[in-house]
Amino acid sequence: GNSVTQMEGPVTLSEEAFLTINCTYTATGYPSLFWYVQYPGEGLQLLLKATKADDKGSNKGFEATYRKETTSFHLEKGSVQVSDSAVYFCALSAGRTNAGKSTFGDGTTLTVKP
Amino acid sequence: DTEVTQTPKHLVMGMTNKKSLKCEQHMGHRAMYWYKQKAKKPPELMFVYSYEKLSINESVPSRFSPECPNSSLLNLHLHALQPEDSALYLCASSQEQGDYGYTFGSGTRLTVV
Repeated sequence: GNSVTQMEGPVTLSEEAFLTINCTYTATGYPSLFWYVQYPGEGLQLLLKATKADDKGSNKGFEATYRKETTSFHLEKGSVQVSDSAVYFCALSAGRTNAGKSTFGDGTTLTVKP
Repeated sequence: DTEVTQTPKHLVMGMTNKKSLKCEQHMGHRAMYWYKQKAKKPPELMFVYSYEKLSINESVPSRFSPECPNSSLLNLHLHALQPEDSALYLCASSQEQGDYGYTFGSGTRLTVV
């Protein structure tokens, strides 16, 4: 079956530090890949996505590249802010091979300190 | 309008009560979802509606009953819940059922006493 593995947290960084959150996946077919962010007390927000190999998704300074050869979709940001403190979920959707259901990673909690 | 609106934001109910959670979107999305999220865990899929028809039921207990009155509305009827059902209930929608990514609501924080 499909699965998503994220680096374990929590991750604590100082403001303006470089962020990487690792995500690897296992899936049949050609999945689409997503990063969602969940701020305290809120629902999840779609942060970025990529639908095919070598696509780069980007939003709000965050980037992730769909690497089929390494089955990875690592999230990066060059300079984090305190406001980026949240839980980040990597997810995949394998379309018709899985009835369109998404598979989520366990989430990585990021805390950014001033 | 690019939002999914959920009401109420908080709900406390007894184990013998009947209550309903409501979800609304006006983005023209044809797939709508109910998820359950426990603290510090990823969301777990409960139900999927596609074109107003129930598409997926992830073996959810019958004390949870979904309803899709029209393409913009999704309800979750609750009856005889257990304390372990306390969680954040999230509604989401997507353009179609597939690889499009979800728009989530802010959720209903449910406490069963």
